[in-house]
Amino acid sequence: NAGVTQTPKFQVLKTGQSMTLQCAQDMNHNSMYWYRQDPGMGLRLIYYSASEGTTDKGEVPNGYNVSRLNKREFSLRLESAAPSQTSVYFCASSSRDRGRPDTQYFGPGTRLTVL
Amino acid sequence: GESVGLHLPTLSVQEGDNSIINCAYSNSASDYFIWYKQESGKGPQFIIDIRSNMDKRQGQRVTVLLNKTVKHLSLQIAATQPGDSAVYFCAENIGDSSYKLIFGSGTRLLVRP
Repeated sequence: NAGVTQTPKFQVLKTGQSMTLQCAQDMNHNSMYWYRQDPGMGLRLIYYSASEGTTDKGEVPNGYNVSRLNKREFSLRLESAAPSQTSVYFCASSSRDRGRPDTQYFGPGTRLTVL
Repeated sequence: GESVGLHLPTLSVQEGDNSIINCAYSNSASDYFIWYKQESGKGPQFIIDIRSNMDKRQGQRVTVLLNKTVKHLSLQIAATQPGDSAVYFCAENIGDSSYKLIFGSGTRLLVRP
């Protein structure tokens, strides 16, 4: 199993450009998440999808949109990139089985720079 | 989570010594806790977890201790190795219908050869 995969690994954008970050998991997990991590800081939740067909805002959703394409894939879109969105973006997934603790497993990250 | 800016707390230990990394969590209703390890340039990696009905759990070379009275979590690493050098995050799950983990700001572990 590859686990959680993310593309691209690196991206440089100009202010105002748009792009979509892709995430896929092969663990048959129900829930998927997008986080951002700024230098020297912990992870902040942008959006999450508890199950296929649902999405909800996290702590820092402004400037982002998401799509849960199917059970495997969860994409994050920046419609008009801003320098404040320069960060490392991590996708995660978890099984969210009823009655079981919910461990999230992370992808390798996308390093995004907005000039 | 709260930010601590660019400077993470750092723990420096000699190779072979034991390491103890501490974490204060925020919500008394949290019922599940996880420790993650993040190496430079990589995503967080699951190390060990513990439910709130336990106060200790052991893994391979790692032990997590939970003190619910003071809302404190610790990660003990035995015989610390150079490969243990990383940033360590604790995370808590409130245990309601929320799917969210709340992450601490992290501690950097440096292992001196």
